[in-house]
Amino acid sequence: IVLTQSPDTLSLSPGESATLSCRASQSGGSSYIAWYQQKAGQAPRLLIYAASNRATGIPDRFSGSGSGTDFTLTISRLEPEDFAVYHCQHYSPSAWTFGQGTKVEIK
Amino acid sequence: QITLKESGPTVVKPTQTLTLTCTFSGFSLTTSGVGVSWIRQPPGKALEWLALIYWDDDKLYSPSLKSRLTISKDTSKNQVVLTMTNMDPVDTATYYCARRGRPIRLGYGFVFDYWGQGALVTVSA
Repeated sequence: IVLTQSPDTLSLSPGESATLSCRASQSGGSSYIAWYQQKAGQAPRLLIYAASNRATGIPDRFSGSGSGTDFTLTISRLEPEDFAVYHCQHYSPSAWTFGQGTKVEIK
Repeated sequence: QITLKESGPTVVKPTQTLTLTCTFSGFSLTTSGVGVSWIRQPPGKALEWLALIYWDDDKLYSPSLKSRLTISKDTSKNQVVLTMTNMDPVDTATYYCARRGRPIRLGYGFVFDYWGQGALVTVSA
């Protein structure tokens, strides 16, 4: 399964909302979709699992949705620390794949 | 507290074999459901999953790199080792080890919940 994220870059101001898309080349089930945040020079951090469940300690301004082949990460009310790269990830039997990432930058 | 840390050479020459070690703490690779994976990221590019080893010694490999990869574990040392043969400049990347989430909740077994800081490996003559 190939994951395509859009847009590549999102330029927004603090306080605005961000909507990030992840499209899978074929349907694999929402249980297999996750989202990660990666800040410059750091390892990725798990945000969302099973498409819509926040990981431990993740603020409720982060939400995930979607089914089939189309999934969305929404960040409401962007905080300064939210400007980063976001990756979606899919698990299919015996392998994991990642999207190319969406960079959320300060406008 | 769960931590993982990668170690290994920072520079390797083309055609050489890369050996990376992930040393972890806060969990055991003898516990049912536990797995440790290697994931890499070339500079400015996407994450790429490489391999995973389970508590029961089952191993999974990226289909595109399977012929070059070997993953193993030493439970007494809390370490996971990845070897990659025939290194090429395109293999220049930050290599991460990460713990696969324990499948205690629906979908959680399909993610990586703890990551090491990463180790940059440059392939250059």
